[in-house]
Amino acid sequence: NAGVTQTPKFQVLKTGQSMTLQCAQDMNHNSMYWYRQDPGMGLRLIYYSASEGTTDKGEVPNGYNVSRLNKREFSLRLESAAPSQTSVYFCASSEFLAGYTFGSGTRLTVV
Amino acid sequence: LAKTTQPISMDSYEGQEVNITCSHNNIATNDYITWYQQFPSQGPRFIIQGYKTKVTNEVASLFIPADRKSSTLSLPRVSLSDTAVYYCLVGDGVDNAGNMLTFGGGTRLMVKP
Repeated sequence: NAGVTQTPKFQVLKTGQSMTLQCAQDMNHNSMYWYRQDPGMGLRLIYYSASEGTTDKGEVPNGYNVSRLNKREFSLRLESAAPSQTSVYFCASSEFLAGYTFGSGTRLTVV
Repeated sequence: LAKTTQPISMDSYEGQEVNITCSHNNIATNDYITWYQQFPSQGPRFIIQGYKTKVTNEVASLFIPADRKSSTLSLPRVSLSDTAVYYCLVGDGVDNAGNMLTFGGGTRLMVKP
């Protein structure tokens, strides 16, 4: 099925460890996003990429970096994980009038 | 940036019609209005999109007045499975000025038996 694929689905990190969350979409969308969602809260934008080759900060970019590898792939990296980064991370893509399509999420716990 | 305002939460009972209103006073001429539904532990999913007047699909109806400064998502005869968070989004991703649109907190709908 066409859509947004995120890996991994679950991850436990120790404080200070690094990791990269992977995201790929097969809908030929130009824009891609990374959101985090804390329990009982709304979505907060971390970074986005309006098109291949560009990335911009969202509401909560501190502690994260992103790479728009090509049109399909947009990765999120945590260089030195902190407990405050424990959250569910969603990747999404969009195209004008097509709306947003979200992945199934990565549940990250930092201990 | 077309900021939106929605009620934080709503309660309803099975079989009732639920109307959730979203205010978007600064909507731009070319902005569409889109609603999303999010179940626990899942990403939001598209429900309905419209530009003006009324749009209906198999899931919901969307009512947009002539001034387009608000919109109302209508869920007919809700069931327990409609318990979710509903987000109103105006525009689509990054607007022409380079501003990023955000989802906000949404409206948490609780359907009771």
